[in-house]
Amino acid sequence: GQNIDQPTEMTATEGAIVQINCTYQTSGFNGLFWYQQHAGEAPTFLSYNVLDGLEEKGRFSSFLSRSKGYSYLLLKELQMKDSASYLCAVPDNYGQNFVFGPGTRLSVLP
Amino acid sequence: NAGVTQTPKFRVLKTGQSMTLLCAQDMNHEYMYWYRQDPGMGLRLIHYSVGEGTTAKGEVPDGYNVSRLKKQNFLLGLESAAPSQTSVYFCASRVPVQGPSTDTQYFGPGTRLTVL
Repeated sequence: GQNIDQPTEMTATEGAIVQINCTYQTSGFNGLFWYQQHAGEAPTFLSYNVLDGLEEKGRFSSFLSRSKGYSYLLLKELQMKDSASYLCAVPDNYGQNFVFGPGTRLSVLP
Repeated sequence: NAGVTQTPKFRVLKTGQSMTLLCAQDMNHEYMYWYRQDPGMGLRLIHYSVGEGTTAKGEVPDGYNVSRLKKQNFLLGLESAAPSQTSVYFCASRVPVQGPSTDTQYFGPGTRLTVL
């Protein structure tokens, strides 16, 4: 089965850089997804990693190390609108279902 | 395209009452999912479907039933609601891909259910 762990809450200052970590244990691996979820809204897709290394997409980057079962989401030049929960998810062995981590609630302060 | 829609957006039930949540998608996706989200617990899969006429249990299926009579619709039923089913329910859909894929899930706006 799959097991995913993330910090519950983080706080950062506007304009700063923040790294949100995700550790996972899976019997197989079909990639790792990051989602952003603003309060009261649905999750939206941010990034996908299947190979080791860093994937950069504007202010957001996502890193994966398959050997360590570890990923992080890096948010640069933080803005107030980045205050949200960030969910890490991995598909199951067949790629049919997703297992989600508990989510990290990020608060960006002025 | 409306994407994924959910009906209703809010509902208050009394213990023992029944209701059905409707999820509809217009993206011709094969896979559909029902999740519940509770504070501090992330998204937990209730039931899912990999195609019209098929359903399967997820992580927390007890107390819920589902049906996928049409490809575009996925219904979640609560036969006898309990206070433990107070939650936010999200529906999602996805294209039919197995193995590594960039194809993500697309989520509906959620249904906020309170059971008194």
